[in-house]
Amino acid sequence: GDSVTQMEGPVTLSEEAFLTINCTYTATGYPSLFWYVQYPGEGLQLLLKATKADDKGSNKGFEATYRKETTSFHLEKGSVQVSDSAVYFCALSDRWGAAGNKLTFGGGTRVLVKP
Amino acid sequence: EAGVTQFPSHSVIEKGQTVTLRCDPISGHDNLYWYRRVMGKEIKFLLHFVKESKQDESGMPNNRFLAERTGGTYSTLKVQPAELEDSGVYFCASSQEGVNTEAFFGQGTRLTVV
Repeated sequence: GDSVTQMEGPVTLSEEAFLTINCTYTATGYPSLFWYVQYPGEGLQLLLKATKADDKGSNKGFEATYRKETTSFHLEKGSVQVSDSAVYFCALSDRWGAAGNKLTFGGGTRVLVKP
Repeated sequence: EAGVTQFPSHSVIEKGQTVTLRCDPISGHDNLYWYRRVMGKEIKFLLHFVKESKQDESGMPNNRFLAERTGGTYSTLKVQPAELEDSGVYFCASSQEGVNTEAFFGQGTRLTVV
């Protein structure tokens, strides 16, 4: 079945540092890929997505590129802020384009940004 | 506009007891999903409603779990009897009818079975 693997945390950074969270996936079909973020005390929020190979999703300074050849969707941000402290989840859906959107998630990566 | 709301936010129950979790989706969202994160591991799909019908319940772990969505509005997830391994965070999400629609998540219910 489908699966998502992402680097384990916690990842501790200083403000303005560069952040990378690795994510690789296994899927039988041609999935769409997502990054979700959970800020403390809140629900999951969609951060960005990419629906086909070589697409780049971007939002709030975060970027991730759909790499079909390496089955990866690594999340990057050039200069993190304290407010980026959260848990980040990589996910895929093999039903994009069909009604409903069942997601397969990775284990989550906790990021802590210190001032 | 109100987001997805889950009740309670936390629940601590003893093994063998019954617990009912509730999810109020965003008004007008036909799709409703339940997910679970156990012991800091990956978030796993439990089931999917389209209005009041179960579209996909392939992720339900066993028959101790019962989900309902009467009237196609709010949904409940009942665990009876609860076991220690049921502890975790239960998330609900909803999305509009149609393709490529974004799923909006609630804050989750943290269930602890002791």
